[in-house]
Amino acid sequence: QVQLKESGPGLVQPSQTLSLTCTVSGFSLTSYHVSWVRQPPGKGLEWMGVIWTGGSTAYNSLLKSRLSISRDISKSQVFLKMNSLQTEDTATYYCARERTIAAIFDYWGQGVMVTVSS
Amino acid sequence: DIQMTQSPASLSASLGETVTIECLASEDIYSNLAWYQQKPGKSPQLLIYYANSLNDGVPSRFSGSGSGTQYSLKINSLQSEDVSIYFCQQNYDSPRTFGGGTKLELK
Repeated sequence: QVQLKESGPGLVQPSQTLSLTCTVSGFSLTSYHVSWVRQPPGKGLEWMGVIWTGGSTAYNSLLKSRLSISRDISKSQVFLKMNSLQTEDTATYYCARERTIAAIFDYWGQGVMVTVSS
Repeated sequence: DIQMTQSPASLSASLGETVTIECLASEDIYSNLAWYQQKPGKSPQLLIYYANSLNDGVPSRFSGSGSGTQYSLKINSLQSEDVSIYFCQQNYDSPRTFGGGTKLELK
């Protein structure tokens, strides 16, 4: 069955770089896009960026200067790197499978809570 | 960016009641609208896409409607397991944007 699982550090210091991994199973990264979405505690959802089936990427303009998404098809993994973290980046980070015909998120990972604090 | 405005922000209803959540887009999104349910402590789950198409496995008491800039999610015969936060999302244009959420509680 389709599964996505995020992994990464739970605590990051301010100004440091966040690195997260999304490991997927039950589908191929060449058949579905994968997006990253984050949710600050008690708040709404923010789309961060996507890696398309062909390997190109698109980012939310608010995060574009700090964000990078890449993948390793052989390992079925998608990576997120975001630099210059601040306390407002404290959030649960989700990866989500995106249908290729429309930007609909049909499967989500369990999420990983990241706290930015010294 | 297309702004999505949900109302109400919170809602309290009784078991068996019918509830409606509204979502207003800042421009025409041509029915490219999805609804998600997020149960406490869980990740969001897709309920409805293309404004009115029910995702596989979603109970038929959920329905979506709307066009242009105005959309709604209706839950008939409210069940205890429907206590959640509901989000709308436009998938017409990039960046994908979400509504602020509607927290549904039992009265």
